[in-house]
Amino acid sequence: AQSVAQPEDQVNVAEGNPLTVKCTYSVSGNPYLFWYVQYPNRGLQFLLKYITGDNLVKGSYGFEAEFNKSQTSFHLKKPSALVSDSALYFCAVSGSARQLTFGSGTQLTVLP
Amino acid sequence: SQTIHQWPATLVQPVGSPLSLECTVEGTSNPNLYWYRQAAGRGLQLLFYSVGIGQISSEVPQNLSASRPQDRQFILSSKKLLLSDSGFYLCAWTVGDYGYTFGSGTRLTVV
Repeated sequence: AQSVAQPEDQVNVAEGNPLTVKCTYSVSGNPYLFWYVQYPNRGLQFLLKYITGDNLVKGSYGFEAEFNKSQTSFHLKKPSALVSDSALYFCAVSGSARQLTFGSGTQLTVLP
Repeated sequence: SQTIHQWPATLVQPVGSPLSLECTVEGTSNPNLYWYRQAAGRGLQLLFYSVGIGQISSEVPQNLSASRPQDRQFILSSKKLLLSDSGFYLCAWTVGDYGYTFGSGTRLTVV
């Protein structure tokens, strides 16, 4: 069985400060890891993925994520937060990309 | 290009009425298709998924059903809606190692 944990329901950060949204996972074999963002009343949008290669993955809108195999983590980061980054963020994992398990989501609020 | 269409965007239905939500995918063949429900703007609940025409797997027993009459068409239905069926319904598809692509969602309110 595979699972994802997003330990923080809510993350608040001031505009211009760095942000981190945490994600840990459990899966058999090599993980496929994803981050998605959701704005109110919209579908989820793909941000970035890790399948293989460099542990630091760069994605859309200046976001990046670091794959840490020993800690089974895939935290989402951004060096300087924008108010427009405020949204709901989902981490997802799979042993293959065809059947993803999603975390419970983290609401990010960037304060002006 | 690959796109996914989901409609309607919003729907208000009385309790006991039927439901039909449709999702279609363009620009790809033999996708895996998924229906999710999201309650109160948070976690995603997988309702159904399909790996091919006529092949439906149900994750949660409930008042809903799904069908896949064509390769790129996925329909979510109910014969009689309950208040608890209210929520935000999302269709998604995947091919290969690219993860999921989601539709824009349907906000269903059962009154």
